[in-house]
Amino acid sequence: DTEVTQTPKHLVMGMTNKKSLKCEQHMGHRAMYWYKQKAKKPPELMFVYSYEKLSINESVPSRFSPECPNSSLLNLHLHALQPEDSALYLCASSQLDVDTQYFGPGTRLTVL
Amino acid sequence: DQQVKQNSPSLSVQEGRISILNCDYTNSMFDYFLWYKKYPAEGPTFLISISSIKDKNEDGRFTVFLNKSAKHLSLHIVPSQPGDSAVYFCAARDSGGSNYKLTFGKGTLLTVNP
Repeated sequence: DTEVTQTPKHLVMGMTNKKSLKCEQHMGHRAMYWYKQKAKKPPELMFVYSYEKLSINESVPSRFSPECPNSSLLNLHLHALQPEDSALYLCASSQLDVDTQYFGPGTRLTVL
Repeated sequence: DQQVKQNSPSLSVQEGRISILNCDYTNSMFDYFLWYKKYPAEGPTFLISISSIKDKNEDGRFTVFLNKSAKHLSLHIVPSQPGDSAVYFCAARDSGGSNYKLTFGKGTLLTVNP
């Protein structure tokens, strides 16, 4: 089983809202990732967690706040976003020191 | 500076024929390469990978070839099927960098016509 699940599938929010994206995997992977993908562009890495600790932050604005409550779950808390933050947000996971990352279906975020 | 380049934004192939998707890279420290397939509004799906110590890896209809001296890899799909129509991303890992960071190309849209 190589399934990564993400909720919600779609999210529309205003610039003053606070919302959260959720990601879950049950493959025993200890590395989890958040990516942002704009139309016709490759995925851009935002954050990496390994062993539930933040190991990479790709200079992401503080209006995006990641959280890893346990080895299976990854959240992305959103606050005071801008319309240009509208994108497909992808979660991925991998075994540590193995390079194949498995992606979830993504959350399509629209910021009004 | 784009370290992973997919110079063909799109490719159209007839069903049953071979699809060849190309990827060039500039970073000689890349040592592991992956191909992902992506349908619209879905996450990328892992297809096949290759380590830099190999020059070929095959999995069913998919074969990846790596030419290290030319810094070039290609994905062959034989025979192509309409369900293969998707965007294909090439990705690479830098052996000198973080184990977790992949560098992606911009993708090639493959259309397989019935």
